[in-house]
Amino acid sequence: EVQLVESGGGLVQPGGSLRLSCAASGFTFSNYEINWVRQAPGEGLEWVSYITSSGTTMYYADSVKGRFTISRDNAKNSLYLQMNSLRVEDTAVYYCARGERYSDWLTPYYYYYMDVWGKGTTVTVSS
Amino acid sequence: SSELTQDPAVSVALGQTVRITCQGDSLRTYYASWYQQKAGQAPVLVIYGKNNRPSGIPDRFSGSSSGNTASLTITGAQAEDEGDYSCNSRDISAKNVLFGGGTKLTVL
Repeated sequence: EVQLVESGGGLVQPGGSLRLSCAASGFTFSNYEINWVRQAPGEGLEWVSYITSSGTTMYYADSVKGRFTISRDNAKNSLYLQMNSLRVEDTAVYYCARGERYSDWLTPYYYYYMDVWGKGTTVTVSS
Repeated sequence: SSELTQDPAVSVALGQTVRITCQGDSLRTYYASWYQQKAGQAPVLVIYGKNNRPSGIPDRFSGSSSGNTASLTITGAQAEDEGDYSCNSRDISAKNVLFGGGTKLTVL
């Protein structure tokens, strides 16, 4: 079964740090880019970061740039998110999601979608 | 602009057809993908690409696009289709990922 399982969430004080993990199974992890997406209570989905399949390129949302670091270990089929200088507004459920991007050879368009999601891990930043 | 815009809420009578839209400049380059999310659950991909459904998604779900607007249509909405629907694409630079704010669908 194709699966992503997040772990590492919890309660942390403002200014603190937390490291999230995402364990992949059922597919060739090293072939896919992987995203972190979060959802604050009562809010919509917010993209946080993604890392390319090789792990050589990473991008971040402006809201977390300079504070969060995404990484992966393809030998361990695992993705990580190191979160530093946490703020109250970082409180959310954090999901890892497999991404696919490719061009449509029949049209000028590109495909992009996240087809596999974990169940999420909850991060609460509060004093 | 680097954002996707959705109506906050839409309602549909049971068995009728509903269209949920998503607008953004990136949709002139990327097909939108659509996710259904029910309370307390992870998002589920329902439509991607020009009009593709992952395995297990009913054929009452379909997608289309024109210019900077993408649409998700549910033909013959069922009670179990209630939930939040979000659109998604990369931005034009391909360095960032965009989500719409989500549309809450109520089936009456």
